[in-house]
Amino acid sequence: DGGITQSPKYLFRKEGQNVTLSCEQNLNHDAMYWYRQDPGQGLRLIYYSQIVNDFQKGDIAEGYSVSREKKESFPLTVTSAQKNPTAFYLCASSDRGDTGELFFGEGSRLTVL
Amino acid sequence: AQKITQTQPGMFVQEKEAVTLDCTYDTSDPSYGLFWYKQPSSGEMIFLIYQGSYDQQNATEGRYSLNFQKARKSANLVISASQLGDSAMYFCAMRGSGNTPLVFGKGTRLSVIA
Repeated sequence: DGGITQSPKYLFRKEGQNVTLSCEQNLNHDAMYWYRQDPGQGLRLIYYSQIVNDFQKGDIAEGYSVSREKKESFPLTVTSAQKNPTAFYLCASSDRGDTGELFFGEGSRLTVL
Repeated sequence: AQKITQTQPGMFVQEKEAVTLDCTYDTSDPSYGLFWYKQPSSGEMIFLIYQGSYDQQNATEGRYSLNFQKARKSANLVISASQLGDSAMYFCAMRGSGNTPLVFGKGTRLSVIA
């Protein structure tokens, strides 16, 4: 089945540690995205990539880093510079088709202790 | 830049009744797309319906319809014959011209009452 796989689903880390969230897709989509969701805030864009080896900052990129070495993979690192990393993180992908609808993974919930 | 406003943090509806979730948007792009997603308590995002800015007809998908009023810049979601399984967060989103990322509203939590 085609889809987007995020791992881990739940992650606990101590303050000051870097954390990497995995996102893999087998939909052959060019574009991939990372969103952060906080209660009452909706989804906010962290980073996106429209093609391999290229990515752009979103609205809240500070304290995060990404890479796009393969079309299928778009990992997100939450660095120690991110002041409030506890959140629900959603990865998505889209193709260049008619609507550009986003397909989402199941999300990763990060809790920093 | 695009902006989405959802003014209803929470809504209640009786089972089998219809409900309208409000969404207004702001953009300077002549061509854009509007989306609605459903997020159950499990956290997954489920695509419901899409409306293109040049589409003449309002989009419909089963029990979901999008009431698109371009002059008022509104894209309200109408759910007919509500079911208990419709209880979830609902997000309105838009994409401007080009392959720009979706911008989301803050969401509306819908609770369906038996």
